[in-house]
Amino acid sequence: KQEVTQIPAALSVPEGENLVLNCSFTDSAIYNLQWFRQDPGKGLTSLLLIQSSQREQTSGRLNASLDKSSGRSTLYIAASQPGDSATYLCAVTNTGNQFYFGTGTSLTVIP
Amino acid sequence: GAGVSQTPSNKVTEKGKYVELRCDPISGHTALYWYRQSLGQGPEFLIYFQGTGAADDSGLPNDRFFAVRPEGSVSTLKIQRTERGDSAVYLCASSLYLGPSNEQYFGPGTRLTVT
Repeated sequence: KQEVTQIPAALSVPEGENLVLNCSFTDSAIYNLQWFRQDPGKGLTSLLLIQSSQREQTSGRLNASLDKSSGRSTLYIAASQPGDSATYLCAVTNTGNQFYFGTGTSLTVIP
Repeated sequence: GAGVSQTPSNKVTEKGKYVELRCDPISGHTALYWYRQSLGQGPEFLIYFQGTGAADDSGLPNDRFFAVRPEGSVSTLKIQRTERGDSAVYLCASSLYLGPSNEQYFGPGTRLTVT
């Protein structure tokens, strides 16, 4: 069974810092990987999706990379803002239907 | 445009009761997923529909859980004889089609509390 781990579990940074969130998975034969943001008491908002044939995706201040062979992905957030405070989750699928999530990284950006 | 909606947003029920949770996917999305998220955990896969059929129900914890999608759009997750351990946020997601570029869109979830 695919297992997804996210490190660190929690992160607190001052506003303006660049930061990296890590995601690792045990089975490298993935279909795609998706990064989500979850605000307290809310559902998940999709941030970036990386197909298995891709190495990175960018959206605004966010950049996600994928190293399938080593089972790792990183989410890079540039010039962090207090509004970025949320829990960030990564999810992978091996088949395109069943998705496996990590437990998330709780990010706090201090003004 | 309208996103994925779920009703009710909160449900409190007594142990042993039956509950139904509803999901309205984005119009035109053929794939629909149900997940369960416990406090401090990531979402856990329950079941996935492609059209009207349950293509993968391997995540359902036991036979008290059942889900339907009779017309290939709205889905209902049904839980019989609820237990306190069923308390969680139940999330629904939909995607346009099944494939490597399929991006999942999530609803706000239904918070189920079994007392």
